[in-house]
Amino acid sequence: DVKVTQSSRYLVKRTGEKVFLECVQDMDHENMFWYRQDPGLGLRLIYFSYDVKMKEKGDIPEGYSVSREKKERFSLILESASTNQTSMYLCASSLSSFLNTEAFFGQGTRLTVV
Amino acid sequence: GESVGLHLPTLSVQEGDNSIINCAYSNSASDYFIWYKQESGKGPQFIIDIRSNMDKRQGQRVTVLLNKTVKHLSLQIAATQPGDSAVYFCAVSHSGGGADGLTFGKGTHLIIQP
Repeated sequence: DVKVTQSSRYLVKRTGEKVFLECVQDMDHENMFWYRQDPGLGLRLIYFSYDVKMKEKGDIPEGYSVSREKKERFSLILESASTNQTSMYLCASSLSSFLNTEAFFGQGTRLTVV
Repeated sequence: GESVGLHLPTLSVQEGDNSIINCAYSNSASDYFIWYKQESGKGPQFIIDIRSNMDKRQGQRVTVLLNKTVKHLSLQIAATQPGDSAVYFCAVSHSGGGADGLTFGKGTHLIIQP
């Protein structure tokens, strides 16, 4: 089974802190994604990556950056956390850009910025 | 671009009844469709998928129907059980759509009445 693991289930951070959310997948998938999920807004794509060291902006990249130094790991960085970044963050991976296949999700990180 | 909508944010059914959850998409080039289930506090889990060369696919107690003419997708759950209580999302993509993956609907919360 594909496993996508996010480093934390719950995080509480202070406004202005730099926050790292880590995600690891174990099935050699090319694509990795970061979403945030908010009530009434569904899943919104923040950033995605289709290869090591490659990254592309999603629908709501402002206030975020990402890093993919290794194929299995995709990190989301909040440079200076703000209260409007309080949300559920979901990491996902999928096999390839050339094949339509399902995305596999991690268990989510619920981030609260105070 | 693609937009994906769900007809009902909440659906309440009696235990043992059949449930039908609907989804509409906008892009006629969409050719891959997935249903996800998300239980409280967890990441979305894959339930079933269907490609555009099919109009029906069955799994264990679940059936997905695809009507490409009206760009409509539905998930049918037979003999609904308490464990089916969750938020259900449809997701849509199309070949050549790039690595940015799936477009998600906002979700329908399925509530099971005893």
